[in-house]
Amino acid sequence: AQKITQTQPGMFVQEKEAVTLDCTYDTSDQSYGLFWYKQPSSGEMIFLIYQGSYDEQNATEGRYSLNFQKARKSANLVISASQLGDSAMYFCAMREVYSSASKIIFGSGTRLSIRP
Amino acid sequence: DTGVSQDPRHKITKRGQNVTFRCDPISEHNRLYWYRQTLGQGPEFLTYFQNEAQLEKSRLLSDRFSAERPKGSFSTLEIQRTEQGDSAMYLCASSPDRGPGEQFFGPGTRLTVL
Repeated sequence: AQKITQTQPGMFVQEKEAVTLDCTYDTSDQSYGLFWYKQPSSGEMIFLIYQGSYDEQNATEGRYSLNFQKARKSANLVISASQLGDSAMYFCAMREVYSSASKIIFGSGTRLSIRP
Repeated sequence: DTGVSQDPRHKITKRGQNVTFRCDPISEHNRLYWYRQTLGQGPEFLTYFQNEAQLEKSRLLSDRFSAERPKGSFSTLEIQRTEQGDSAMYLCASSPDRGPGEQFFGPGTRLTVL
């Protein structure tokens, strides 16, 4: 069964520093997609970045990059030059292409707090 | 605003009452999803529509829950005979048929059952 594990319930980071949020996953599918979402206190889930299992290069979107290590089944999110507005819950998620083409499975999240 | 919208944003009800939530997806998205999120947890999948067809339902979706998308546009999620354990944030998301499958979420409906 597919599973997402985020082992950091909370993190504190100084503004302007880089931060890495950990995510490991488990799946028996060869074809899958990995996502990171941000959830501010307002509650809305905001899509940040996507990595396909066959993508050879790590995905990047502005200050966000995904450190994809397929053999280790890890998909860590790196935020460079953190800002106060980055304070939020961050969820790692996975979609299996063949066994369940629709649903996304989410981890339990990491609460990131940026200190000024 | 062309994002996913949900109504109401908050609902307080008494145990045993029925409630209905509405979701309007992004207009060109054929896929629509409902999730439930409890405090401190990630969203949990409830159900999925491709146009008007409900193609997948989670075991979390008990008999008291029903979802519809009659014309393939907006969707409703109804909970009958609400219980205190139904208190949660109900999130709706939509996605296009093509692409990697990232889902775009609405602001959610927070349900409190007293």
